[in-house]
Amino acid sequence: GAVVSQHPSWVICKSGTSVKIECRSLDFQATTMFWYRQFPKQSLMLMATSNEGSKATYEQGVEKDKFLINHASLTLSTLTVTSAHPEDSSFYICSAHGFGGSEKLFFGSGTQLSVL
Amino acid sequence: QKEVEQNSGPLSVPEGAIASLNCTYSDRVSQSFFWYRQYSGKSPELIMSIYSNGDKEDGRFTAQLNKASQYVSLLIRDSQPSDSATYLCAVLRSGKSTFGDGTTLTVKP
Repeated sequence: GAVVSQHPSWVICKSGTSVKIECRSLDFQATTMFWYRQFPKQSLMLMATSNEGSKATYEQGVEKDKFLINHASLTLSTLTVTSAHPEDSSFYICSAHGFGGSEKLFFGSGTQLSVL
Repeated sequence: QKEVEQNSGPLSVPEGAIASLNCTYSDRVSQSFFWYRQYSGKSPELIMSIYSNGDKEDGRFTAQLNKASQYVSLLIRDSQPSDSATYLCAVLRSGKSTFGDGTTLTVKP
């Protein structure tokens, strides 16, 4: 299956700082990647769709200026949480569809963000 | 009404039993359906996909789809303690996957 690599696995930061999370497709090219957020004991909530070479598409209620997404190549998308606050503490997961337009989603390992 | 609804659980079954997980969806246009397994603190992993009415079997897992009833289910036969996890139902529409809240399954030895 397709492999999606996500780094870092966990990060602790001070309130007001910015954190960058990387998501790479290792054995396939992903023109589109998805960023999800998951709070404890809740489901995955789609934050935005990352499109290679163009602007990300954000879901309703997600602040695009706070969650900056860059998809500069076919294998790398980054999510930057700017001016992080404790309420941004969550599990962030990226994903991509697999080879040849497969509809199956393959997930990165996730990033647990804790903002103090 | 949520787009994808699952039994909230938790569901507990003894080892060796059949675990039955249910999911309903609201959009009749949806064509692709998936079950993902998520262990605590980990990201989801795909275990089954189903696209047409009927049953689809893969090892101990059987997915069932009834588009007329807008219902998807997952059966796990011979449940093992390692099957203890949260199971997420997902529906693909317009290139985006929408997930249910998940059902937490505990298989007791």
